[in-house]
Amino acid sequence: DQQVKQNSPSLSVQEGRISILNCDYTNSMFDYFLWYKKYPAEGPTFLISISSIKDKNEDGRFTVFLNKSAKHLSLHIVPSQPGDSAVYFCAAPPGPDKLIFGTGTRLQVFP
Amino acid sequence: GAVVSQHPSWVICKSGTSVKIECRSLDFQATTMFWYRQFPKQSLMLMATSNEGSKATYEQGVEKDKFLINHASLTLSTLTVTSAHPEDSSFYICSASLRQGGDTIYFGEGSWLTVV
Repeated sequence: DQQVKQNSPSLSVQEGRISILNCDYTNSMFDYFLWYKKYPAEGPTFLISISSIKDKNEDGRFTVFLNKSAKHLSLHIVPSQPGDSAVYFCAAPPGPDKLIFGTGTRLQVFP
Repeated sequence: GAVVSQHPSWVICKSGTSVKIECRSLDFQATTMFWYRQFPKQSLMLMATSNEGSKATYEQGVEKDKFLINHASLTLSTLTVTSAHPEDSSFYICSASLRQGGDTIYFGEGSWLTVV
């Protein structure tokens, strides 16, 4: 049972436009969520997180929205830059400090 | 700079041999570390929780006798893949948290294991 899902395996966006990456979860007990960026053969890099008591968290070009009733969160990147091209994972903690990852979305930002 | 470091970055071993991967927390102590595995084009899957001074806790479906985890000090956890087979070829990543329960989880650079 996949508790964290990313239904879009890939996304292609033009530079300067908004990238929206989506994530759905099934466990309503998760109390925060994280987004990671990952390049091939490297460990994930933390981007942004959101607590379940909030519906929005913003950090520079990155904003994460949480819709608890829909069990859905999204990461918005605006404006998108070519350097944002990577695989993005959403994640949630089933326990202290360990994570369940979504399947990832490969973002490609083209000029 | 990196706060969690793994070694080696990549390793090739012959089928049937064992290989050890190290995960170190830099400048902080980690009583708990975590090991993940990622197959090509798949997600990162939690394998086990490494507990300093006690036995590791393995996720369902992970063979504890095959993936030996030792957390002998507060800054080092090791994963040993015993009697490796080609299907064990994967990208192994560890993580540690600066403070328990917070969103300060850092990942190592990962280790590519290829079993030939």
